[in-house]
Formats: sequence, structure tokens, C-alpha cells
Amino acid sequence: DTEVTQTPKHLVMGMTNKKSLKCEQHMGHRAMYWYKQKAKKPPELMFVYSYEKLSINESVPSRFSPECPNSSLLNLHLHALQPEDSALYLCASSQGDRDRSYNEQFFGPGTRLTVL
Amino acid sequence: AQSVAQPEDQVNVAEGNPLTVKCTYSVSGNPYLFWYVQYPNRGLQFLLKYITGDNLVKGSYGFEAEFNKSQTSFHLKKPSALVSDSALYFCAVRDIYNFNKFYFGSGTKLNVKP
Repeated sequence: DTEVTQTPKHLVMGMTNKKSLKCEQHMGHRAMYWYKQKAKKPPELMFVYSYEKLSINESVPSRFSPECPNSSLLNLHLHALQPEDSALYLCASSQGDRDRSYNEQFFGPGTRLTVL
Repeated sequence: AQSVAQPEDQVNVAEGNPLTVKCTYSVSGNPYLFWYVQYPNRGLQFLLKYITGDNLVKGSYGFEAEFNKSQTSFHLKKPSALVSDSALYFCAVRDIYNFNKFYFGSGTKLNVKP
């Protein structure tokens, strides 16, 4: 199974709502990533979990809260978002850095988020 | 610092013609380079990578890339373009000091016309 799954595919939320994005992989990867992508732009790194610990936070606003319950799951909790947060949110995974693997990232299909 | 640059926002090519999508890199040390493709409203799909070894790397869907150390380039190529190759292409480099970090180029939109 070389697939990263993300739910939901689409999400519309108001600025006062609380919602969560979910990501799952069963490739035994120990690094998992959240990216934000605007139309026709490259993915922007938000968070990296390595061996279930937060290893990179790219100065993301606190209205985004990541969580890694176990080695296969990654969540992104959303609260009090702004319209400019509307984007495609991509999850990815790769082998952990302790493996010194040079392998690629595997991306999920993304969640299209619209904040009204 | 590690970075990659894609100098062309858009590349237009006729179906059946060869295509090239350009990427140059700036790294301190040996580069670990990747190409991804993204179709509309989809995630990124891995095409190929250069870690070490042969300068010509073969990947998925008939794509290949040529690593050129003297020109610090890693251009993506295909001998005969298909309309279905039309998509957004990203070059990326892995950070050798923070192995969990990847840097992406700005992307190149490939348009293949019938």
C-alpha cells in the first residue's frame, strides 16, 4: 500500500467553526508533513512530525494545531480561521531521517478548504 | 542553504515533440533532487529522483532527467509529449542538514497542444 489518504476532500467552514483534517498512511513512514498550497504555487511547509514528535513548525499561526496520535495518523485541527486560509492542504509522508533514506515524499490528494 | 529554481512559469509544446522543463539547484554538498507532477485539484505525484550514480535518471510515464553538476541543473525531459502530460511540474531538493525538509521550485505549467 503506497497511498496517503486524506479526509475530507472538501471542507467549507465559517470563521468561528472548529474542524479537523485527517491524514493516514500505512507505509511504515515515520515522517509526516502538512503543507498549504495556493493555486499554481508550490506547497508551503507547515509542520513536520518525525517519529510522532513535532520536529518542524514553520511559524504557523496558532489557529492551526497539528496532532500525531500514532505513526500512521496525522491530524490538523482548525479553529477561528481567516478567509486567506482557504487553500489546498496536503499531507505527505516519507521514511524517517534516522533511516538516512533518500527516498521521496508520498502525497495525499489534499483537502480543499474554503473559509467563509 | 538549499534551493531549486524553475526559470519558466510555462512551457508550451506540441504533441509528439520532445519536451524539457528546466530546474537549477543551489546546494552545499551532494544534492538529492526530485521531480513531481501535479494535476488539477490533486496531490503531487513522484516522477523521479537523483541521489547518486548515473546522470541520466529514468522515471515514471516515460520521463527522464539529466543531472549536470557543472551547470547545477536537473532538467526534466520526455522524447515525445502527450496531451495528458499537461500539468504543473515541481522540482525539489532535500535539505541535507535537516533531512525532513524539502524545498520546492516555483513550478512550471506544461501545456501540450494536440
